[in-house]
Formats: sequence, C-alpha cells, structure tokens
Amino acid sequence: EAAVTQSPRSKVAVTGGKVTLSCHQTNNHDYMYWYRQDTGHGLRLIHYSYVADSTEKGDIPDGYKASRPSQENFSLILELASLSQTAVYFCASSDRDPSAETLYFGSGTRLTVL
Amino acid sequence: GEKVEQHQSTLSVREGDSAVINCTYTDTASSYFPWYKQEAGKSLHFVIDIRSNVDRKQSQRLTVLLDKKAKRFSLHITATQPEDSAIYFCAASISSGSWQLIFGSGTQLTVMP
Repeated sequence: EAAVTQSPRSKVAVTGGKVTLSCHQTNNHDYMYWYRQDTGHGLRLIHYSYVADSTEKGDIPDGYKASRPSQENFSLILELASLSQTAVYFCASSDRDPSAETLYFGSGTRLTVL
Repeated sequence: GEKVEQHQSTLSVREGDSAVINCTYTDTASSYFPWYKQEAGKSLHFVIDIRSNVDRKQSQRLTVLLDKKAKRFSLHITATQPEDSAIYFCAASISSGSWQLIFGSGTQLTVMP
C-alpha cells in the first residue's frame, strides 16, 4: 500500500505568520502534489513536482511556495498566511503523470488562519 | 480555463437502490477520468477510472460510463450499502503544458438504511 504522510494534522496560524506543511512519501514516486480543498470547490492544485529540486505552479499558486529537497519530501510554504488560506491541504504522489496513474493522498492538514 | 463540473452536491438513496453521479468536462483532449472517494473525516482514495478508448468500465458494484460526444461521464453504484456513504469526486486529465487532473466539486452520497 502506498504511503503518504503529512504533518501536522492540524494547525492554527496567525495572519502574517509563516506556515510550513510537510509531506513524506515512501512510494518511490516521482510526482508529488499539493492540493487545497474548500467546501464547494473540490480540490485545486497549488504546486506539483516531478523531480527533486524542481517545482511547478499549479492552478492557484499565489501566496504559496513549494520545496522538493528530495524524492521523498515535498513542502508547502505560506510565507505570509492570510485568512483566505484557511482550508484543508492534501499532499499526493503518483508514479507517473496523473493522466496515466492513480494518485495516493495523505490524510490532510487542516489549516486555520486567525 | 478547463473545468470539471459535478452538478449534484448531494444525493440520497435507500440502501439497496442504485446511485448515479454525473460529471461533465470541457477539455476535448481529456483522456483519463478517475473517481475518488472521501469518507467522513478521511482522505481521498481511488475507486475506479475510465480511459477515452472505452465507453464503459465495471468493477464489482461500480460502473463508469463515458460519453465523449457529450463530454459527460458518470459513476453508477448498484446495490448501495451504508459504507458507500461518502463524498465522490470525479476528475479529468487536461493538457496545459503538462498533463494534470482537474477535480469536480464533489457529491455527498448518503445511503439511508
């Protein structure tokens, strides 16, 4: 079974603060993704990466940075957290691009920005 | 931009009845259509998919139908059980420089005893 673990499970941050969400996969997958889930919007892609030391912008990258220091680890960074970034964040991985391969999701991080 | 729409935000059925969840997509180049299930308080996991070279795929109680002309696909669940209660997300692949998935907004399926 593919394994994607996220930390923390939940976090409360203050507006203007820095937040780092971490993701670790043991699947030996090349592709990793960060999605945001808001009620009524489904999942929206923030950033993704298909190789270590390289990241790509997804559909809603503004206000977020990503870092892929190794094949196993992928972080999402909010340099200046804002109220609008309150959401549930999911990390996922896949062996190949998502037009050809199942995504394996982590358990999610619930972020509340006050 | 390209979209995937799920028009039913909620769907309630009686245990044992069938459930149908519909999605439409806009990208004519879409070729891969997976479905994911999210149970209450949990993460998403893959349930079934279909590719554009076929118009029907069945896995046990789940069937996916694809109508490329109408740009529509649907998930059919037969003999529903309480454990089928969850949010179901459809998705479609799009090509925007590199292949990605766009997700629908989700349909909350409730199976009533």
